Amino acid sequence: DAGVTQSPTHLIKTRGQQVTLRCSPISGHKSVSWYQQVLGQGPQFIFQYYEKEERGRGNFPDRFSARQFPNYSSELNVNALLLGDSALYLCASSRDWDSYNEQFFGPGTRLTVL
Amino acid sequence: GQQVMQIPQYQHVQEGEDFTTYCNSSTTLSNIQWYKQRPGGHPVFLIQLVKSGEVKKQKRLTFQFGEAKKNSSLHITATQTTDVGTYFCSKGSSNTGKLIFGQGTTLQVKP
Repeated sequence: DAGVTQSPTHLIKTRGQQVTLRCSPISGHKSVSWYQQVLGQGPQFIFQYYEKEERGRGNFPDRFSARQFPNYSSELNVNALLLGDSALYLCASSRDWDSYNEQFFGPGTRLTVL
Repeated sequence: GQQVMQIPQYQHVQEGEDFTTYCNSSTTLSNIQWYKQRPGGHPVFLIQLVKSGEVKKQKRLTFQFGEAKKNSSLHITATQTTDVGTYFCSKGSSNTGKLIFGQGTTLQVKP
């Protein structure tokens, strides 16, 4: 079975621009979560979507938004990019919505904001 | 508050030596998951602990959950160069799939 896939792998943007990151979960997984990982730190939770509904939101500004599609794939959008948004953005899928489920992480999208 | 504290931040060992990382929370944990992230890679699930005092083993790795469910540890016996990476503990949220990660322990193994 294919794992979690994310696109693009790398992205370079300038301040003020907008970016869309994409994630395809493992087949059969209905929950998708997004995490931001800054170099040298642990992943920080941004959003969780389950059955196309937002299930959880982390402490991120409204510039961050996400959605989940009927096929359970997901997009993360970030508007008005700041230098501090430079990070590895990880998508994780799991079978069900609760935190007792093993999370399968994708390879991530490395975003650089100049 | 909601954080999990993980120590040490870095550990350098000689191949064959043992290694332990500790995870502590000020609040009782419903569950704890451990992940490993290789350099340049993404987190990979290792184990989940749910019960008070639980001990689980995976070959040379031993995971423990404290009796009070406020701390956990990962112990690696006789480290190998393949053990290199950053080990994260994470606590689960009670009503979402949200995981709160510790800052990780980066293990370097000298051959």
